[in-house]
Amino acid sequence: DTAVSQTPKYLVTQMGNDKSIKCEQNLGHDTMYWYKQDSKKFLKIMFSYNNKELIINETVPNRFSPKSPDKAHLNLHINSLELGDSAVYFCASSQGLGGFGFEQYFGPGTRLTVT
Amino acid sequence: SQKIEQNSEALNIQEGKTATLTCNYTNYSPAYLQWYRQDPGRGPVFLLLIRENEKEKRKERLKVTFDTTLKQSLFHITASQPADSATYLCAPLEGSYIPTFGRGTSLIVHP
Repeated sequence: DTAVSQTPKYLVTQMGNDKSIKCEQNLGHDTMYWYKQDSKKFLKIMFSYNNKELIINETVPNRFSPKSPDKAHLNLHINSLELGDSAVYFCASSQGLGGFGFEQYFGPGTRLTVT
Repeated sequence: SQKIEQNSEALNIQEGKTATLTCNYTNYSPAYLQWYRQDPGRGPVFLLLIRENEKEKRKERLKVTFDTTLKQSLFHITASQPADSATYLCAPLEGSYIPTFGRGTSLIVHP
C-alpha cells in the first residue's frame, strides 16, 4: 500500500492553463504539505495543512491554492500557469508539525512542465 | 538571513570506505536536525533525527553528529555500498511550523 500518493506523475501543459495535482495519504497523519523542488534541487515548502487548517503559506503566489477536503487529502490547484512554475511538486505528510521534528513521508512527486 | 549549506559538489568514494557529508547552518537555532535520502525521480525518505541535546545518533551503518556550537551536523555512512549512492538532505528544525531543507549533497559510491 502506497503511504503518500500523488496524481498525475507527469503534467505537461501550456502557459495560461489551470491545472490540479491530487495527493492522498493513508497513514492517518494530521499534517500534510506541498513542496516545490526546482531545477537546482532546492526543496521549498509552499503550504502546510494541519487538521484541514492552513498553517503556512510561504510567499507563494495566490495563483496557487491548496484545498483539503479531509485530513487524508491535500490537492493543489494552479491558475494561469507560468514558465517559472515548471518544477517537481512533492506532497508530504507527518504525524505532527514537521518543524518539531516529526518525520515526513513524501509522495513520488509530480513533474510539471509548462511550455 | 537563515542559510543551510551542504556541499554542492558530488562526493565520490570507493565501496567499503566511510562517506562523510556535512551540513552547516547559520542564523538557525535548531532543536532538531533530520537527514533524508533522495533518489533520482523519487521523494525524500527520512533516515535519522537527532535532538539538540544529543551529540551523536546511530542507526545500522549510519551515524549523525550534531554540534550546536559549530552549527554543524556530520552524516557518516560506514562500509559504503553502491546502493548508498543518492542525494542526502539535511533539515535543521527550530521547533516552529516551518520545516526547511538544505539543497543536498550527491554521494556516488564506486564499486
